[in-house]
Amino acid sequence: DAGVTQSPTHLIKTRGQHVTLRCSPISGHKSVSWYQQVLGQGPQFIFQYYEKEERGRGNFPDRFSARQFPNYSSELNVNALLLGDSALYLCASSSGRMDRGPNTEAFFGQGTRLTVV
Amino acid sequence: AQSVTQLDSHVSVSEGTPVLLRCNYSSSYSPSLFWYVQHPNKGLQLLLKYTSAATLVKGINGFEAEFKKSETSFHLTKPSAHMSDAAEYFCVVRPPLVGGYNKLIFGAGTRLAVHP
Repeated sequence: DAGVTQSPTHLIKTRGQHVTLRCSPISGHKSVSWYQQVLGQGPQFIFQYYEKEERGRGNFPDRFSARQFPNYSSELNVNALLLGDSALYLCASSSGRMDRGPNTEAFFGQGTRLTVV
Repeated sequence: AQSVTQLDSHVSVSEGTPVLLRCNYSSSYSPSLFWYVQHPNKGLQLLLKYTSAATLVKGINGFEAEFKKSETSFHLTKPSAHMSDAAEYFCVVRPPLVGGYNKLIFGAGTRLAVHP
């Protein structure tokens, strides 16, 4: 079975532009979460979606938005890009909401490396 | 608030010697704790998890971690390092359910170097 797939793998954008990152979860997984990993730091939680609804949001500005589609894939959108948005963006999928049990594991994709110039 | 502190940003060991990566957590409730590994240009892989069962947790590739509530620690160990263990390691806490969702809180990471 395919793991979590993210596209594109690398991306270069100019300040002020908009970017869309995509994620396909593991087949059968209904929950997708997005994380931002700035160089030299641990990943920071951005969003969690479950059954196409936003279930949680981290401390990120409104320039960041996301959605989940009926097939459970997800998009992360970032508007008005800043240099500080340069990071590795990670998508994680899990079988369900983590409140359904402590053993729900999050599986991560390889990430999209975004560089803003 | 929940948080994790990884006490060493870099650890260097010789192949065949023990590995110790230190992690302290802060949590008002009994947390779920994890260790993830990130190899260059690869995604995060779960090494092991603690979810209030046995305090000594065994993971993949010979790693294990011990949950010590009195010390609020969850240190990662391996008896004998292998060259392939060189990577970035993250200690992670998952706080109890809040508002219908859950999230992972990552430490800053420890870069493990293994020398021949």
